[in-house]
Amino acid sequence: DQQVKQNSPSLSVQEGRISILNCDYTNSMFDYFLWYKKYPAEGPTFLISISSIKDKNEDGRFTVFLNKSAKHLSLHIVPSQPGDSAVYFCAASSGRAGAQKLVFGQGTRLTINP
Amino acid sequence: DAGVIQSPRHEVTEMGQEVTLRCKPISGHNSLFWYRQTMMRGLELLIYFNNNVPIDDSGMPEDRFSAKMPNASFSTLKIQPSEPRDSAVYFCASSLRRPGNTIYFGEGSWLTVV
Repeated sequence: DQQVKQNSPSLSVQEGRISILNCDYTNSMFDYFLWYKKYPAEGPTFLISISSIKDKNEDGRFTVFLNKSAKHLSLHIVPSQPGDSAVYFCAASSGRAGAQKLVFGQGTRLTINP
Repeated sequence: DAGVIQSPRHEVTEMGQEVTLRCKPISGHNSLFWYRQTMMRGLELLIYFNNNVPIDDSGMPEDRFSAKMPNASFSTLKIQPSEPRDSAVYFCASSLRRPGNTIYFGEGSWLTVV
């Protein structure tokens, strides 16, 4: 029972173009969403997050969009750079006080081609 | 600032042996998480602790797995006896116990059971 799904195992994008990574969730109790980035042989690192009271959050080249009615979120990276090549994990949690149980998707491997 | 520290980084062991993975969370963090990453299932939460107390161990796959947190600065994940299907990367992570707070991951312990 995968509550958070990233249906694309991999994505290849040309340097300078936009990368769009997608994530779907099934649990309507989720109200906080995050993206983590993972390089080989390293632990995941936090990238950007969004609360369910918003539909967009932007941080530099990274923007996360949330569509609650569709239970869908996406991460946009523009412009894409070679250093963005990594595995990206979408994660979600319910925001009850003290609840921090993050549920992760399977990850999408992004490759930025020069 | 030291991040989450895990040991060993790599472990190769024979089926049936006991494996102990160790974690030192970030100083001051009061929540600790053990995750497992596999190709098939991505990042799965095994167990998490708040203030050294196990809160949710529903992700622990079997009785062969156990986790302890004897104090705020140390946790162990033990597998006994180990099986080849336990081969995975095990991540420890920590955070401050506040809704929406960022979870910081260690670099992982790569376990191979032969």
